[in-house]
Amino acid sequence: EADIYQTPRYLVIGTGKKITLECSQTMGHDKMYWYQQDPGMELHLIHYSYGVNSTEKGDLSSESTVSRIRTEHFPLTLESARPSHTSQYLCASSEWGKGGRSGANVLTFGAGSRLTVL
Amino acid sequence: GENVEQHPSTLSVQEGDSAVIKCTYSDSASNYFPWYKQELGKGPQLIIDIRSNVGEKKDQRIAVTLNKTAKHFSLHITETQPEDSAVYFCAASHPRGGYQKVTFGIGTKLQVIP
Repeated sequence: EADIYQTPRYLVIGTGKKITLECSQTMGHDKMYWYQQDPGMELHLIHYSYGVNSTEKGDLSSESTVSRIRTEHFPLTLESARPSHTSQYLCASSEWGKGGRSGANVLTFGAGSRLTVL
Repeated sequence: GENVEQHPSTLSVQEGDSAVIKCTYSDSASNYFPWYKQELGKGPQLIIDIRSNVGEKKDQRIAVTLNKTAKHFSLHITETQPEDSAVYFCAASHPRGGYQKVTFGIGTKLQVIP
């Protein structure tokens, strides 16, 4: 059962459109993340959040933006989509240091949103 | 920063055989090493993990080993089954600015041939 939900699962849009990928989790986790997954396989961290009103850029530069107004919600927005934004976007959350894994950052991933920009 | 190398990138085994995926890391501060399995159309899921103070951990048909000195860790799957076919990611978690950063390997696509 998924405790972290991403919508839409698939999206095909034209260049220049604004899109928002939604991510919600029901676990009460403080930390949330967005990863971009290459057509190959690699996972690249593009955004993360420590908690409400906290957002940080990840390792891979991205033209997308994120917001964290509520603990459970971490949407990602592209103001003007381009073909280079075509990718799989994975949302994740974690509760670092709890669940018997002190000091461990155990990530729970959503099923992903596959974005195609024509 | 941390760098995690994973190999092989693809692996085909006959059903019932064993599969081994190897990873190396660079940052000696890394202290937690999870393995994730990603099935087609799904997000990665944690399947097993190991802390830096443990050398080996086993859970049914899967086991992980860690060599801190050499900065190597490996995933072993015995008696492979078709449902083991998936992409497997190793990762290393290390403290960075009051937060535990997770660095992933590039992934290994495992195919189990019936």
